Amino acid sequence: EVQLVESGGGLVQPGGSLRLSCAASGFTFSSYSMNWVRQAPGKGLEWVSYISSSSSTIYYADSVKGRFTISRDNAKNSLYLQMNSLRDEDTAVYYCARDHVEMATIGDYWGLGTLVTVSS
Amino acid sequence: EIVLTQSPGTLSLSPGERATLSCRASQSVSSSYLAWYQQKPGQAPRLLIYGASSRATGIPDRFSGSGSGTDFTLTISRLEPEDFAVYYCQQYGSSLPFGQGTRLEIK
Repeated sequence: EVQLVESGGGLVQPGGSLRLSCAASGFTFSSYSMNWVRQAPGKGLEWVSYISSSSSTIYYADSVKGRFTISRDNAKNSLYLQMNSLRDEDTAVYYCARDHVEMATIGDYWGLGTLVTVSS
Repeated sequence: EIVLTQSPGTLSLSPGERATLSCRASQSVSSSYLAWYQQKPGQAPRLLIYGASSRATGIPDRFSGSGSGTDFTLTISRLEPEDFAVYYCQQYGSSLPFGQGTRLEIK
């Protein structure tokens, strides 16, 4: 069974940093690209970042470019999102999602999400 | 950048009725790259449809997708109580991949 479990969310002050993790199991993690997607309270889905299976290709949404860094450790079956210079508007539930290029979907499987609150 | 616009914003229907949700792209999108998701309150999105018309694993056949070019449709043939949720369309390979969503509520 495919499982994605996010962790690392919490309350942080504006300008602060946070590192999110996503633990993957039930599939060959190293064979799949991964995405981070976020959802602000009461709002829709916003794609944040993409990383290919070998980490050779990385993309970011303009809203986080230069502040967030996506990475992965295939030996640990883990995905990460380092978030720096956090702003109020980064407050959201952050989901990791398994990219499926053959189905052309950002997420054929999703984690339950972790809440990041940026507030003073 | 191609933008996806979903309509209506909110759809109010009763169980047993047919639901038709629209997703319009600002430019032509390959059908292969169009997907639909369902999201219930407090839950992660769930993949329903990929390639515009293929159902994901375990998705009931009352859900169907169609369309091409700039106009795509998600149809729920007979609404069940568990179908009332928010639905998003998605285009693959874009930095703005999601539509804004359609809320399907019980009338």
